[in-house]
Amino acid sequence: DVKVTQSSRYLVKRTGEKVFLECVQDMDHENMFWYRQDPGLGLRLIYFSYDVKMKEKGDIPEGYSVSREKKERFSLILESASTNQTSMYLCASSFLGLTGANTEAFFGQGTRLTVV
Amino acid sequence: AQSVAQPEDQVNVAEGNPLTVKCTYSVSGNPYLFWYVQYPNRGLQFLLKYITGDNLVKGSYGFEAEFNKSQTSFHLKKPSALVSDSALYFCAVRDDNYGQNFVFGPGTRLSVLP
Repeated sequence: DVKVTQSSRYLVKRTGEKVFLECVQDMDHENMFWYRQDPGLGLRLIYFSYDVKMKEKGDIPEGYSVSREKKERFSLILESASTNQTSMYLCASSFLGLTGANTEAFFGQGTRLTVV
Repeated sequence: AQSVAQPEDQVNVAEGNPLTVKCTYSVSGNPYLFWYVQYPNRGLQFLLKYITGDNLVKGSYGFEAEFNKSQTSFHLKKPSALVSDSALYFCAVRDDNYGQNFVFGPGTRLSVLP
């Protein structure tokens, strides 16, 4: 079974703190994604990476950065947490490309971050 | 650009009745379509996908979906709903002209009433 593991289920941080959300996958997937989920807005892409050290901005990258030093690990960084970053954060991974059967994304269990 | 619409925020159905959760999409290339389910405080769980071939695809837990190219739709169906099907359902699309990203709809909350 594919496993995508996020380091924390719940986090509470203070405004201005630097926050690290970690994600690890064990399927040798090239693509990794960070989404943010808010009620009524669905999933919005923050950043994705298709290879080590490669990253692409998604729809809402402001206030976030990412790091991918190893293929299996993709970190989301909130440089200075703010209350409007309180949300559910979801990590996902998938194979590169759209050929063949293995095109779907697999998700971690999510991290519910509260910034106070 | 890609987009996904789920026109219903909420769908209510009685246990044992058939259910349909609607999804329409817009892509510039060929669509790759997916349904995911999310239970409270959990990540998204893959249900089924359409890549090519038969327009009716079958997935996990008795769910199926019908791809309709002319109507650009990919509705999720189940012949007989269970209370345990109550959850949040997301439709997603990948576009072979657009690259690696998945675009998700806003989600539909399904409530199956006993």
